[in-house]
Amino acid sequence: GQQVMQIPQYQHVQEGEDFTTYCNSSTTLSNIQWYKQRPGGHPVFLIQLVKSGEVKKQKRLTFQFGEAKKNSSLHITATQTTDVGTYFCAGPGYNQGGKLIFGQGTELSVKP
Amino acid sequence: EAGVAQSPRYKIIEKRQSVAFWCNPISGHATLYWYQQILGQGPKLLIQFQNNGVVDDSQLPKDRFSAERLKGVDSTLKIQPAKLEDSAVYLCASSLEQLSTEAFFGQGTRLTVV
Repeated sequence: GQQVMQIPQYQHVQEGEDFTTYCNSSTTLSNIQWYKQRPGGHPVFLIQLVKSGEVKKQKRLTFQFGEAKKNSSLHITATQTTDVGTYFCAGPGYNQGGKLIFGQGTELSVKP
Repeated sequence: EAGVAQSPRYKIIEKRQSVAFWCNPISGHATLYWYQQILGQGPKLLIQFQNNGVVDDSQLPKDRFSAERLKGVDSTLKIQPAKLEDSAVYLCASSLEQLSTEAFFGQGTRLTVV
């Protein structure tokens, strides 16, 4: 079945440093979604990418969808303490009945 | 706009007991998901409904878990009998459509099986 993998599992950075998490799917995705979960909270939608090679920006966050629509990345420039949390990618695969499968997440901690 | 409502927020039960969780999705959302999230892991899809039909339940342990979506709106997830390894947060989410829209999550139900 469809699998979504993320690396790294954990990332500890000093405030002001950059951060990147990578997402890889075993199957081609119809779209890729990114979510953020704060400690003790629930996943909150950040963005969706649909087109091959698509790049979207939200302030300090840059999201990219691979040409083959099987991988994606999230890059945060100049991290802040408010960026702390776990970042998940999720995607419905083609011919997978629209199942929204999550990766295992990358937990980001930011030291002030 | 009201969000996804879940109850209860917390539940502690003994192993071999039964438990039920309830979810009310956002009005008009056709797709409803139940996820199990064990501490430190990503949400694991248990079952996905499209209106009142099941899209996927391949990861649902059907010997002990069951779920239904009444009239394509509210949903309940039941565990009977519970095992220690069922301790997790059970998240309900809904989305407007199946493939192309974001999922909105409820606060979740934290289940502890002792």
